[in-house]
Amino acid sequence: EPEVTQTPSHQVTQMGQEVILRCVPISNHLYFYWYRQILGQKVEFLVSFYNNEISEKSEIFDDQFSVERPDGSNFTLKIRSTKLEDSAMYFCASKLTNTEAFFGQGTRLTVV
Amino acid sequence: AQKITQTQPGMFVQEKEAVTLDCTYDTSDPSYGLFWYKQPSSGEMIFLIYQGSYDQQNATEGRYSLNFQKARKSANLVISASQLGDSAMYFCAMRGSYNQGGKLIFGQGTELSVKP
Repeated sequence: EPEVTQTPSHQVTQMGQEVILRCVPISNHLYFYWYRQILGQKVEFLVSFYNNEISEKSEIFDDQFSVERPDGSNFTLKIRSTKLEDSAMYFCASKLTNTEAFFGQGTRLTVV
Repeated sequence: AQKITQTQPGMFVQEKEAVTLDCTYDTSDPSYGLFWYKQPSSGEMIFLIYQGSYDQQNATEGRYSLNFQKARKSANLVISASQLGDSAMYFCAMRGSYNQGGKLIFGQGTELSVKP
């Protein structure tokens, strides 16, 4: 069964460092998303991506964040200068059209 | 603005019994979708069931059913014949107007514990 794959599963980084979280969405899907979940809290929307551009972003998704779909298969989230409060589980999701979104297993980011 | 509310932070149920997890929502969109996801302790988000705002029948998927009461703006998840493996966090989510990019708005979640 096709699935969304995220790497790495866990990343530890120093405050101020850049991190790139990687995702391989399901191959024929058209819509791509990043969400985050701070430990013990609800899942929050960060950004949606369609037709090679951002279609919507939340207020969390400030200038420190960027997304790319560089090669038609990978979908990346970059955080330029990480802060302690960026520590969270980051989920990538994809969907075909007006269907349910399929989530990856998440990347746990720890900023120290 | 759209909002999802789950008022039960934690629930306990005896194995083999049914349990209802509450979800209420608020939206001004005439067209929307409601979802339930399960998050086990391993962390992944597993899609369970979907209800469209124009669907006439309540959605069912195996042991999961969605009690959709549009006038009350509620979309409760019913799990029949609970199993130990159902112990997890459950999130209700809503997708609003399609031209907003189809993002999901999640509730705070309900942690379900199934007792043997």
